[in-house]
Amino acid sequence: DVKVTQSSRYLVKRTGEKVFLECVQDMDHENMFWYRQDPGLGLRLIYFSYDVKMKEKGDIPEGYSVSREKKERFSLILESASTNQTSMYLCASSLEWVGQETQYFGPGTRLLVL
Amino acid sequence: GNSVTQMEGPVTLSEEAFLTINCTYTATGYPSLFWYVQYPGEGLQLLLKATKADDKGSNKGFEATYRKETTSFHLEKGSVQVSDSAVYFCALRINAGGTSYGKLTFGQGTILTVHP
Repeated sequence: DVKVTQSSRYLVKRTGEKVFLECVQDMDHENMFWYRQDPGLGLRLIYFSYDVKMKEKGDIPEGYSVSREKKERFSLILESASTNQTSMYLCASSLEWVGQETQYFGPGTRLLVL
Repeated sequence: GNSVTQMEGPVTLSEEAFLTINCTYTATGYPSLFWYVQYPGEGLQLLLKATKADDKGSNKGFEATYRKETTSFHLEKGSVQVSDSAVYFCALRINAGGTSYGKLTFGQGTILTVHP
């Protein structure tokens, strides 16, 4: 089974802190994604990566950056956390083959910024 | 642009009731369509998918048919159980080449609660 793990289930940070969210997948997937999930808004794509060291902005990249130094690991960075970044963060991965585009999700990290 | 619209929730049903969650989409190109489910405290998992018009996806008693003429992908189940209580997300992915790279566009989610 594909496994996507996230470094923390819950995080509490203070405004202005630098925050790192880590995601690891064990199925050699090319694509990795970071979303945030907010009530009434569904999932919104922050950033994605289709290869090592490659990244693309999603729909809401402002205030975030990402890093993908190894194929299995995709990190989301909040350079200076703000209260409006309080949210559930979901990582996902997928193969880039037609018919294999199912995304596999991690359990999520619930971030509270005070 | 691409977008997905789901029916407003939350939806509350009694066990063994019939379920429909409406989903319509707007897309440039030819999308694949998905339903994902999120059980309490967990991440999303794929429930079913359909990759071309008139395809029917099915899993765990749930079904959805890709209707190109009405741009819809409504989720149905004939008899829901308490264990179906979850948040359901409709999503699309554009299959054309270019820079899509597997990006999914999600609807806002529909909360389903099933009572015994």
